[in-house]
Amino acid sequence: TQLLEQSPQFLSIQEGENLTVYCNSSSVFSSLQWYRQEPGEGPVLLVTVVTGGEVKKLKRLTFQFGDARKDSSLHITAAQPGDTGLYLCAGEGGNQFYFGTGTSLTVIP
Amino acid sequence: ETGVTQSPTHLIKTRGQQVTLRCSSQSGHNTVSWYQQALGQGPQFIFQYYREEENGRGNFPPRFSGLQFPNYSSELNVNALELDDSALYLCASSLDIFGNTIYFGEGSWLTVV
Repeated sequence: TQLLEQSPQFLSIQEGENLTVYCNSSSVFSSLQWYRQEPGEGPVLLVTVVTGGEVKKLKRLTFQFGDARKDSSLHITAAQPGDTGLYLCAGEGGNQFYFGTGTSLTVIP
Repeated sequence: ETGVTQSPTHLIKTRGQQVTLRCSSQSGHNTVSWYQQALGQGPQFIFQYYREEENGRGNFPPRFSGLQFPNYSSELNVNALELDDSALYLCASSLDIFGNTIYFGEGSWLTVV
């Protein structure tokens, strides 16, 4: 059972374009994390959002946590080839994190 | 670099065999979690160890077992390997169990043939 659904599953865009990745759930989470994973490597934490409605910015990346703490979005401005990777959202639930299926992003130079 | 190291990085096993994967947690971290990531999927929680005790388990059969040692390093053991066990196995350490950030190792790729 996948508690977190991510969309789109695959995304291929040109360098310089903007994009948004969505992470949705019917469950409430105390916090939600976004990771980026490159082939052959473990996920690397990008951000943790805790408060409903919270917005965090990390250079060209903007993360938002939904007011009800059930959903989140990741917006990338002016995508670069270095942004290519698998983006995973993960909701904190007790002693584990529930991961989404991931969004595979390819940025074409 | 997260300070979490896993070994081996890649291995191939035959169906029915047993495998042991190892993880050294980040210095000062007493909690280790193991995740299985099948190709094209997000990681799935296997179990967590806190101060050498199992502290929660996901939907995995008993042939998946673990250990945590006094130095907080950890092992994941899988018995009677099945083809579907082929996956990336990720270890993640955290400062403690209270919802802190988890740091992943680079994983162990297991292929069962």
